Amino acid sequence: GQQVMQIPQYQHVQEGEDFTTYCNSSTTLSNIQWYKQRPGGHPVFLIQLVKSGEVKKQKRLTFQFGEAKKNSSLHITATQTTDVGTYFCARTGGSQGNLIFGKGTKLSVKP
Amino acid sequence: GAGVSQSPSNKVTEKGKDVELRCDPISGHTALYWYRQSLGQGLEFLIYFQGNSAPDKSGLPSDRFSAERTGGSVSTLTIQRTQQEDSAVYLCASSWSGSSTDTQYFGPGTRLTVL
Repeated sequence: GQQVMQIPQYQHVQEGEDFTTYCNSSTTLSNIQWYKQRPGGHPVFLIQLVKSGEVKKQKRLTFQFGEAKKNSSLHITATQTTDVGTYFCARTGGSQGNLIFGKGTKLSVKP
Repeated sequence: GAGVSQSPSNKVTEKGKDVELRCDPISGHTALYWYRQSLGQGLEFLIYFQGNSAPDKSGLPSDRFSAERTGGSVSTLTIQRTQQEDSAVYLCASSWSGSSTDTQYFGPGTRLTVL
């Protein structure tokens, strides 16, 4: 399956600032999943987007799936130190359910 | 119930030795995946088991890597004649049915260091 490109690779913000990470694919995606990995931890599922143009919110997190289903974004409003970690988008790798991960965006938050 | 568990949590081995990594998926989950995460990198798919079907080995980097899943539950990832480039965190995940829309639940990983 095609890779998913994720930008930026790193993001340093002051606590209270907003943060956005973007995930792009050259091919149409059936769905996109987002995971968060805390430092020293393992990936934890955040959300899955399936429909074109879909927008989902989890408290301060807003997830979007593009109209063409080729891109997605995760936006965090008013970051907190608890938001620190690496955020990965992932696409499914084909008929099987294995995931193809982007390289992630590592977020650091300065208190 | 309990989440995915993996053992050992850390493994240090000498180059050329064989290692076995274990994964206990969530009870009732039919699909099991192995991924590898090198330092500061994303996750690389290795192998996938679904029920009693033949595993999808398309992600294994070399024939030194193999995996088994006994009784549709516990899985063991074996790396023979380890090399320094095998050093990474090996993550196991399981999901209910293996559908492309299933949530995958990850274990804590095994950190492998090859000296």
